[in-house]
Amino acid sequence: DTGVSQNPRHKITKRGQNVTFRCDPISEHNRLYWYRQTLGQGPEFLTYFQNEAQLEKSRLLSDRFSAERPKGSFSTLEIQRTEQGDSAMYLCASSEGQGRHEQFFGPGTRLTVL
Amino acid sequence: AQKVTQAQTEISVVEKEDVTLDCVYETRDTTYYLFWYKQPPSGELVFLIRRNSFDEQNEISGRYSWNFQKSTSSFNFTITASQVVDSAVYFCALSEAGTGNQFYFGTGTSLTVIP
Repeated sequence: DTGVSQNPRHKITKRGQNVTFRCDPISEHNRLYWYRQTLGQGPEFLTYFQNEAQLEKSRLLSDRFSAERPKGSFSTLEIQRTEQGDSAMYLCASSEGQGRHEQFFGPGTRLTVL
Repeated sequence: AQKVTQAQTEISVVEKEDVTLDCVYETRDTTYYLFWYKQPPSGELVFLIRRNSFDEQNEISGRYSWNFQKSTSSFNFTITASQVVDSAVYFCALSEAGTGNQFYFGTGTSLTVIP
């Protein structure tokens, strides 16, 4: 396992369409995180999972956003009825455990909503 | 309120110069963790260093060194003898033990090393 992988790397969609991103964490990591990063900003936390349980969600995660990690392995992030303001880089990270452990990030999925 | 502040937006140095990136954090937790990440032009965030709130020992690792001072809530990062490959955006991040496991990132400092 060479690290966190994300697919697709780029997604262009029209406003109002639904999109789904996938993240495959490092295999022995039980924690998985989603962040959003816009140009010139640091990543902003969206949500995180410990195994299959979604333990925390940010206020940034509107009801159009949903994330799952059905078997405690890979995770998906779905955005329904996309808006132009959703255009950003969506980053996935994984870690071994609690906050003291560094998070390892994937390459991100860049979403452009036209 | 911003939990992590990186006041330096952009820094340019000439190759072989030393450069220090500043980070000031804010937390009420007594147990917390601080991190530095590097984001090169390729875009992938690369972990550099982690420090626990109860470990103020500063460290040098090759050309990198860190200065953690709880009294001033600062966690600064220095690159000595900078190289062109050091050009990237550097992020400081905070994780609080008592309020979940998310990272709070600063807005980043863009470092350009001029050959």
